[in-house]
Amino acid sequence: GDSVTQMEGPVTLSEEAFLTINCTYTATGYPSLFWYVQYPGEGLQLLLKATKADDKGSNKGFEATYRKETTSFHLEKGSVQVSDSAVYFCALIFIYNQGGKLIFGQGTELSVKP
Amino acid sequence: DTGVSQNPRHKITKRGQNVTFRCDPISEHNRLYWYRQTLGQGPEFLTYFQNEAQLEKSRLLSDRFSAERPKGSFSTLEIQRTEQGDSAMYLCASSLEEKYQVAKNIQYFGAGTRLSVL
Repeated sequence: GDSVTQMEGPVTLSEEAFLTINCTYTATGYPSLFWYVQYPGEGLQLLLKATKADDKGSNKGFEATYRKETTSFHLEKGSVQVSDSAVYFCALIFIYNQGGKLIFGQGTELSVKP
Repeated sequence: DTGVSQNPRHKITKRGQNVTFRCDPISEHNRLYWYRQTLGQGPEFLTYFQNEAQLEKSRLLSDRFSAERPKGSFSTLEIQRTEQGDSAMYLCASSLEEKYQVAKNIQYFGAGTRLSVL
């Protein structure tokens, strides 16, 4: 079945370090891809999205490129801040065929130390 | 825009009791989704509504679970005869569905209801 796999956490970085969180997917069709972020005590928030191959989503210094050939959507940020500490979820969705339900990875916890 | 609101935020119950959660979506959104999230895992889809019609239910939604959206606005999720395995965070999301407009099919999540079954 369709699924999303993320690198295991927690990931601990020092402030201003480079971040990569790996995400790969298995899908029978051509999904849209998302990164959601969950701060402590809050609901999931959309961070960025990409709807077709080679699209790059970006927001708040985070970027991810939809790579169809490697079925990947890795999240990157050049310089993390303490405020980026949160749990990050990669997700896919089939808008046209499957009603729009999101399929999530297991989440990767990021902790940024000053 | 007040966002998606879920009540209660926390619910502690004894095994065998019934519980009901409420979700108020963003007012103009026609789709409403329920997900369940256990510790250390990503959310898993349970069911969704378009207006008042329940269009899809996951196999995770056993017959002890029932969801309604009677007037196409707020929704309730009821769990009957709760079991310890039902302990989880229950998330609600809403979206404005416009066919063929992927960019607008963004789901906005509430903060969730955390259920603990003792």
